[in-house]
Amino acid sequence: QQQVKQSPQSLIVQKGGISIINCAYENTAFDYFPWYQQFPGKGPALLIAIRPDVSEKKEGRFTISFNKSAKQFSLHIMDSQPGDSATYFCAASGAYSGAGSYQLTFGKGTKLSVIP
Amino acid sequence: DTAVSQTPKYLVTQMGNDKSIKCEQNLGHDTMYWYKQDSKKFLKIMFSYNNKELIINETVPNRFSPKSPDKAHLNLHINSLELGDSAVYFCASSQSGRPYEQYFGPGTRLTVT
Repeated sequence: QQQVKQSPQSLIVQKGGISIINCAYENTAFDYFPWYQQFPGKGPALLIAIRPDVSEKKEGRFTISFNKSAKQFSLHIMDSQPGDSATYFCAASGAYSGAGSYQLTFGKGTKLSVIP
Repeated sequence: DTAVSQTPKYLVTQMGNDKSIKCEQNLGHDTMYWYKQDSKKFLKIMFSYNNKELIINETVPNRFSPKSPDKAHLNLHINSLELGDSAVYFCASSQSGRPYEQYFGPGTRLTVT
């Protein structure tokens, strides 16, 4: 079964610090690696995504680093703020599953708490 | 303007009952999904639906059935509810060509007693 392994399960960071969440995958057919952010009581929302031909993508304080040879990618949140406290999911897309959809395989999530 | 909406937000029911959750998207997307999120926050795909083609995750019990009256709606029917069905159910949608960009609804918290 295709898997995306995510760590850590939970993370506590001081305000202003850097939050780092790591993911690893096995299937080299994956061709898109999005990160989703979920606040309590809400649905997940796309945060940032990267293709494997790019080693880094930055949007504001959020950066994805991608290591194709190691089959790993990570999310860095710079200058972490209490408002960033949420559950973060990495995912991988690219395995066609029919019905016009390329199934998203999610990691198990990381609960980030940013303390003032 | 809500992109993906679900009703109801909360659903409390007894074992053995049959219930439905409705989902609507106004994004013009051609693919819709149902996910189940358990108490540990793990997101599990249940169904993908596009142009009347349905893909079912093989682990989903046949008590669960999606029904799509049109391209903007994908409802979830659950028969003979069990305690283990308690979870948050999310509807999502995406457009062909951008499958990694899924838009999720606010979720329906189902509690089976």
